[in-house]
Amino acid sequence: AQKITQTQPGMFVQEKEAVTLDCTYDTSDPSYGLFWYKQPSSGEMIFLIYQGSYDQQNATEGRYSLNFQKARKSANLVISASQLGDSAMYFCAMRPFYTGTASKLTFGTGTRLQVTL
Amino acid sequence: KAGVTQTPRYLIKTRGQQVTLSCSPISGHRSVSWYQQTPGQGLQFLFEYFSETQRNKGNFPGRFSGRQFSNSRSEMNVSTLELGDSALYLCASSPGRLTDTQYFGPGTRLTVL
Repeated sequence: AQKITQTQPGMFVQEKEAVTLDCTYDTSDPSYGLFWYKQPSSGEMIFLIYQGSYDQQNATEGRYSLNFQKARKSANLVISASQLGDSAMYFCAMRPFYTGTASKLTFGTGTRLQVTL
Repeated sequence: KAGVTQTPRYLIKTRGQQVTLSCSPISGHRSVSWYQQTPGQGLQFLFEYFSETQRNKGNFPGRFSGRQFSNSRSEMNVSTLELGDSALYLCASSPGRLTDTQYFGPGTRLTVL
């Protein structure tokens, strides 16, 4: 079974600063995908970024980048130049790719990010 | 492209009743997954449908069921509602491969009184 751990329940960052949200995972599957989602207070889960376990380079999407360290089983999200609109809950998730396993998207407990002036 | 839509957005029911939630995926997407989100348990996977077949199921009692239609729209049903079923129910769609990203709808907030 897979497990996602997000150890930071809450984080504060000043506007225009960079922030790193931590995520570690545990899986025995050799092939998997790692995802980050943002959930504003409205409730909708917004996809931010994806990293495949065999991708050689760290994923980037605009101000979002994923610091992927496979040996450490970590997939930290880095948000550069924080904006007030980045204030939300952030979830790390993982899905194994072997159909033989119970292939489902498993989420961490989330980190609440608050961007301040 | 229109995003994932869920109806209704808010629902209030009483214990013992049943409820049906609807999800329309992004056009062309063939996979629909359902999740329950509560403050205590976080986000939990309910089930996934692909091409009208249940592909995977989470650890929920049989009161929770779902189905998918030929146009990929999906419904989930909860019978004999309990207070603990109060939650945000999120639906997500993807093209269908396990490697595809899931895109979520706005959710249905269910309150059981």
